[in-house]
Amino acid sequence: QKEVEQDPGPLSVPEGAIVSLNCTYSNSAFQYFMWYRQYSRKGPELLMYTYSSGNKEDGRFTAQVDKSSKYISLFIRDSQPSDSATYLCAMIDFGNEKLTFGTGTRLTIIP
Amino acid sequence: DAGITQSPRHKVTETGTPVTLRCHQTENHRYMYWYRQDPGHGLRLIHYSYGVKDTDKGEVSDGYSVSRSKTEDFLLTLESATSSQTSVYFCAISESGSSYEQYFGPGTRLTVT
Repeated sequence: QKEVEQDPGPLSVPEGAIVSLNCTYSNSAFQYFMWYRQYSRKGPELLMYTYSSGNKEDGRFTAQVDKSSKYISLFIRDSQPSDSATYLCAMIDFGNEKLTFGTGTRLTIIP
Repeated sequence: DAGITQSPRHKVTETGTPVTLRCHQTENHRYMYWYRQDPGHGLRLIHYSYGVKDTDKGEVSDGYSVSRSKTEDFLLTLESATSSQTSVYFCAISESGSSYEQYFGPGTRLTVT
């Protein structure tokens, strides 16, 4: 079983819809939770990070962490075609200082 | 993009040949990483460096070696390429080992025939 599970999709939604992307994890030592966005043929770029359970908002993006359920989510409001990308969740265990990535969810926003 | 370049960007090589990929940064970050990205596996760490001449293995290091003789350059070598090493390779940098923020290069697409 992988430490981080992420539905690969693909996920297609109409422009303006709310998008929900999710990851589950098994390692309770993970302390920081990140979302990276990767456009086609590009390297990943950090979108958001959270430390504690709860919500963190940045513009149209909201990251949510539920440590008790080992579940994290990324919500995108008013989705735009420019949001079309692969979204990777990532987590870090400061004990070994390694990022562990999910496999990524490929998202397409249909105009 | 952060000041990270990778070369070559694309390469096709034959099984059994040696291959070296280069990562160059202009950010003066201490940590550098090599990942491979494959469908169904996501990003997996191959090797990383925490300083000049200081390197360590990652999750999938078999068949790969690295070297870092200067802060700005991190080389990944496939001593004898195999078809299972066909992948997209990404270099990343960070200021500290515990940094959640890694900056990624544009990637190298390697095909081993």
